[in-house]
Amino acid sequence: DVKVTQSSRYLVKRTGEKVFLECVQDMDHENMFWYRQDPGLGLRLIYFSYDVKMKEKGDIPEGYSVSREKKERFSLILESASTNQTSMYLCASNLDRRSPNYGYTFGSGTRLTVV
Amino acid sequence: AQSVAQPEDQVNVAEGNPLTVKCTYSVSGNPYLFWYVQYPNRGLQFLLKYITGDNLVKGSYGFEAEFNKSQTSFHLKKLSALVSDSALYFCAVKGGAWGNTGKLIFGQGTTLQVKP
Repeated sequence: DVKVTQSSRYLVKRTGEKVFLECVQDMDHENMFWYRQDPGLGLRLIYFSYDVKMKEKGDIPEGYSVSREKKERFSLILESASTNQTSMYLCASNLDRRSPNYGYTFGSGTRLTVV
Repeated sequence: AQSVAQPEDQVNVAEGNPLTVKCTYSVSGNPYLFWYVQYPNRGLQFLLKYITGDNLVKGSYGFEAEFNKSQTSFHLKKLSALVSDSALYFCAVKGGAWGNTGKLIFGQGTTLQVKP
């Protein structure tokens, strides 16, 4: 089975801190995604990447950046954490964006609290 | 623009009864439709998908979904609900146009509560 691993299940950070959320997948997937999940809003796409060193903005990129230096790793960076970034963050990957047959494999999520 | 709507925030059903979780969508081109389930403090797990072919799709844990093109719907169903089915369910769609970004667009989620 494909595994998508998020390095932390729970994080508590202070306002203004730089925060790194790490995600690693082990099946050579091309595509990786970062979502945030908030009650009543579902999943909203922050950033995604189709290849190493490539990134594209999703629907809510403000306040975030990403890094993909290696194919298996996709990092989400909060440059200066704010309380409105308190949320559940979900990483996902899939094999090939051009094929409709491939859904996403999700990590277990990181629940970030900014105080 | 692509969109997914799950009109019910919560669905309550008694164990042993049939359940339906509703989903409607809007996409250009042929839709590719997915259902995911999320248990508390976990990531999303794939349940089933519709790509093409038979409108009735069978998935994990006894769930199935019916694709209805004229009503642009993809409702999730199960004949006999279990207490362990209680979770948050997400419908998602991917537009079918070639060259699309491959992004999945998610609905806001429906909480399914199955009571003993």
